[in-house]
Amino acid sequence: DGGITQSPKYLFRKEGQNVTLSCEQNLNHDAMYWYRQDPGQGLRLIYYSQIVNDFQKGDIAEGYSVSREKKESFPLTVTSAQKNPTAFYLCASSPTSGRVGNEQFFGPGTRLTVL
Amino acid sequence: GQQLNQSPQSMFIQEGEDVSMNCTSSSIFNTWLWYKQEPGEGPVLLIALYKAGELTSNGRLTAQFGITRKDSFLNISASIPSDVGIYFCAGQLQGAQKLVFGQGTRLTINP
Repeated sequence: DGGITQSPKYLFRKEGQNVTLSCEQNLNHDAMYWYRQDPGQGLRLIYYSQIVNDFQKGDIAEGYSVSREKKESFPLTVTSAQKNPTAFYLCASSPTSGRVGNEQFFGPGTRLTVL
Repeated sequence: GQQLNQSPQSMFIQEGEDVSMNCTSSSIFNTWLWYKQEPGEGPVLLIALYKAGELTSNGRLTAQFGITRKDSFLNISASIPSDVGIYFCAGQLQGAQKLVFGQGTRLTINP
């Protein structure tokens, strides 16, 4: 089945440690995105990538880093510089071309808890 | 960043009632999308709108792209328990790749 996978579903880390969240898609989409969601809040854009080997900062990029070495994969690293990393992280992808190019499809999310 | 004003923030209704929610902005959008999110899951795309005035249905859901291109509405008719969740609007500004999301409407249904 085509879709977006995120792993793991739940992640715990100690304060001061870096952690990498995985996002993979087999939809052949060009663009991929990372969002952060806090309880009772909307989605805030962290980083996005429209093409392999290129990515742009979103609204809250500080303390995060990404890479886009393959079209299918867009991992997010939450660094120790992120002051409040406990949140629900969502990955999305979109085709970017044609009428449906703006439709973003989301993965199931990773809940990160910093202990 | 750019904000969308989504209202109401929450709704408590009886099963069978109709639901209406909306998003407004001071900016003009090219695309409006409506998503539903259930607890602990990612948002699922419900309806996409591409043209001012467009009215699109998906089962009991109907959404409209406002004539001014600054707002959108989502209606749910004859609500059922599985409609429970958080509904988000999202819009794409002209020339932008990013989406702007509303804060969500939390729908609770009493059986």
